[in-house]
Amino acid sequence: DTAVSQTPKYLVTQMGNDKSIKCEQNLGHDTMYWYKQDSKKFLKIMFSYNNKELIINETVPNRFSPKSPDKAHLNLHINSLELGDSAVYFCASSPVRAGGYGYTFGSGTRLTVV
Amino acid sequence: KNEVEQSPQNLTAQEGEFITINCSYSVGISALHWLQQHPGGGIVSLFMLSSGKKKHGRLIATINIQEKHSSLHITASHPRDSAVYICAVRGDTGNQFYFGTGTSLTVIP
Repeated sequence: DTAVSQTPKYLVTQMGNDKSIKCEQNLGHDTMYWYKQDSKKFLKIMFSYNNKELIINETVPNRFSPKSPDKAHLNLHINSLELGDSAVYFCASSPVRAGGYGYTFGSGTRLTVV
Repeated sequence: KNEVEQSPQNLTAQEGEFITINCSYSVGISALHWLQQHPGGGIVSLFMLSSGKKKHGRLIATINIQEKHSSLHITASHPRDSAVYICAVRGDTGNQFYFGTGTSLTVIP
């Protein structure tokens, strides 16, 4: 059983398109995250939701919009895709909101914008 | 300057060697994490620390809050330890995350 699952694993799309990446966790965790890893392998947090409530919203273009229908799902919608959006996007979850416990990561979605 | 600095950036070791990866940070934190990213891209959380030392198998992580420094040690290194190791901190207000640029480790048989 996959604890944090992301779909799709690979996504190739043209500039200007709108796309979504889905994330689901079956761990019963309260908090979910989206991270972006750029070509230099640098990880950066984008969003965090706790029980469907947005708690972290880093400086990210408003073309990126997270949606959490329930605490087990956090989807990432990207409008008007740009070349610079090409990256690997990781979803993660953790059992507590603050104070920090270990994370469980999804396997990543490699987005290529052409 | 990045809030989290790791050293070295790249490390090659012979199988069996003792390995140390260092992480220094410049912000107040509530927790520090060590992550491992496999060559295939998957990320695994190794440790979460707020003080002291933790051990899991051949991996040991320590943190010195006063010095704002953490180390990840690997004893009896093995080629399967080859990966990128990332240090990440959660800010002390709870809502900021900062990541190091990672240390790429290659263990040669």
